[in-house]
This record gives sequence, C-alpha cells and structure tokens, in this order.
Amino acid sequence: AQSVTQLDSQVPVFEEAPVELRCNYSSSVSVYLFWYVQYPNQGLQLLLKYLSGSTLVESINGFEAEFNKSQTSFHLRKPSVHISDTAEYFCAVSEKVQGAQKLVFGQGTRLTINP
Amino acid sequence: GAGVSQSPRYKVTKRGQDVTLRCDPISSHATLYWYQQALGQGPEFLTYFNYEAQPDKSGLPSDRFSAERPEGSISTLTIQRTEQRDSAMYRCASSGGQGGWETQYFGPGTRLLVL
Repeated sequence: AQSVTQLDSQVPVFEEAPVELRCNYSSSVSVYLFWYVQYPNQGLQLLLKYLSGSTLVESINGFEAEFNKSQTSFHLRKPSVHISDTAEYFCAVSEKVQGAQKLVFGQGTRLTINP
Repeated sequence: GAGVSQSPRYKVTKRGQDVTLRCDPISSHATLYWYQQALGQGPEFLTYFNYEAQPDKSGLPSDRFSAERPEGSISTLTIQRTEQRDSAMYRCASSGGQGGWETQYFGPGTRLLVL
C-alpha cells in the first residue's frame, strides 16, 4: 500500500518570493506521481504529473516538481509566486501498473500569498 | 462532455435520509472513480468503474454506500440512512481517452452536510 505525507499543512509566503511544497511518499512498487491544485470555490485540477522519463516536470504556470526516487520525494517549487497561486495543493501517488488504479492523496498544503 | 460534471453541488439532509449523488464523466473516458474528502483531509478512494463493471469497491466505508454505472457513462453514489459522519465533499473523476488512463480528471464535487 502507498502513503503520501505533505509535511506542511499551511505555507504563507510573500508575493514574488520562492516557494517549496514538500511531498514524500512510501510504496513497495513503482509509482506515478501527481500534484493537484484546488483554487477557492473550484474543483481539483491537475497541475503536473510524473509518469516516466525526465524526473523534472513543469506546469504551464511556472511550477515544477522533481521526482527523487532515492528520497521518495516529489517536492513542488516555484521561483516567484503570484497572488493568483493562492490555493490548496495536493500531492498524490498511484501504482505504476496497467489499467485503472486508485490515487492516494496527501492531506494537502494551503498556500497563502501575501502582498 | 467537455469536463466532469457533478450534481448537486451542495446537499443538506437530515440524519437517516437517503441521498443520491450524480457524476457525468468526460464522454470518451471508460474509467470513473469516486472519492470522499473530509474537511482538512485529502480525498480518499471509495470505488471505481470500468464502463459498467465495478472491479473495486474496497473503499466504501459501509454497506450503506453503493454506486452504480448501469450504461457505462453516468454514475450515481447512494448513501442510505445518512449519518453525520457522512458529511464530506464527494468527488468524481474519470480517466481514459486521449488523456491517458493514468491521469484522472476531477469534477467540481458535491458537498454533503448531514444534520
């Protein structure tokens, strides 16, 4: 069975500052990794994902995450945040097998951007 | 459709009543998932469907919970004899088609409050 730990439940940062949201997972098998974002009053949206290949993946709005197999981590980073990045961020993992499988989520990190 | 839709968006009910939640997945997606998200937590897997088949319902918390997808498209989640602990956000997701089976796309969710 897999599990996901997001160490920080809340992260306040100032606008234009860098941010890192931490995610660690445990699994006995190979995994796919995801970051989902929930903006206020909206549903969960896929931000980025690691399936295979390059361990560094990027989103269209400047976030990036790096899969580190030895540290079982998939931390999310952005060099300069904007007010519009205020949201709750969820890290998730699923087994790397063919066919449907359930996502296992972390508890979420609430990112608050202050002007 | 263009995205996953869920209805109702909000449901308030009294303890002991039955409720039915609806999910309309992306039209090309064969796989449909249900998740339950308690306040302050990440989503937790309930069950999933491949077309109309339901291979895994291991996450359903009790026999008061059931789900259907009779024609392989729209799905319903029914909670019988609701209890206050059933209060949560219920999220539906679908995968398949050009998006790939590994990536799940979520609807806006149904927030259920049991009084």
